[in-house]
Amino acid sequence: KAGVTQTPRYLIKTRGQQVTLSCSPISGHRSVSWYQQTPGQGLQFLFEYFSETQRNKGNFPGRFSGRQFSNSRSEMNVSTLELGDSALYLCASSPGQGTADTQYFGPGTRLTVL
Amino acid sequence: AQSVTQLGSHVSVSEGALVLLRCNYSSSVPPYLFWYVQYPNQGLQLLLKYTTGATLVKGINGFEAEFKKSETSFHLTKPSAHMSDAAEYFCAVRSSGGYQKVTFGTGTKLQVIP
Repeated sequence: KAGVTQTPRYLIKTRGQQVTLSCSPISGHRSVSWYQQTPGQGLQFLFEYFSETQRNKGNFPGRFSGRQFSNSRSEMNVSTLELGDSALYLCASSPGQGTADTQYFGPGTRLTVL
Repeated sequence: AQSVTQLGSHVSVSEGALVLLRCNYSSSVPPYLFWYVQYPNQGLQLLLKYTTGATLVKGINGFEAEFKKSETSFHLTKPSAHMSDAAEYFCAVRSSGGYQKVTFGTGTKLQVIP
């Protein structure tokens, strides 16, 4: 099976712009989670989707949003980019809604905001 | 509420020496515990997880961890370090029941000295 794929892998944007990141989960997986990873804050949970419904949300401002499609693919959007949004954004998929399920991570999208 | 603390942001061991990475957790309900490894410019890969049952969990690449409820710990060990073990390791907790998010520790960078 193909792993979790994230596109694009690298992105450079300027302050004030918006960006959309994409995540394709492992085939058959219905749950997708997003994380922001920075050297200072570590891995911070953004949101989790299951069957197109947001199940959990982290403590991020409303500029960060996401959605999941019927084929389980997910996108996250960041509007009005700030310098502090520079980070590695990781997507993880898991088979169902079980909290013991293993999360399988993609390679991430490296976002640089100038 | 749940949290996880990893003691030591950097750990150095000699090749062939014991690897011990410490993780303590807090959870108001029985936890699910995970250890992930991250190599540079890659996503996270699951090493092992504890859900229920046997408290000594064996994972990939010769790693194992023991769930100690009385000490609220889930330390990761490997008897003999290899150069290829140099990476960053993350402990994570997810409370059982409900739709709790995964909380990650701040990570421990393992350096293996030849």
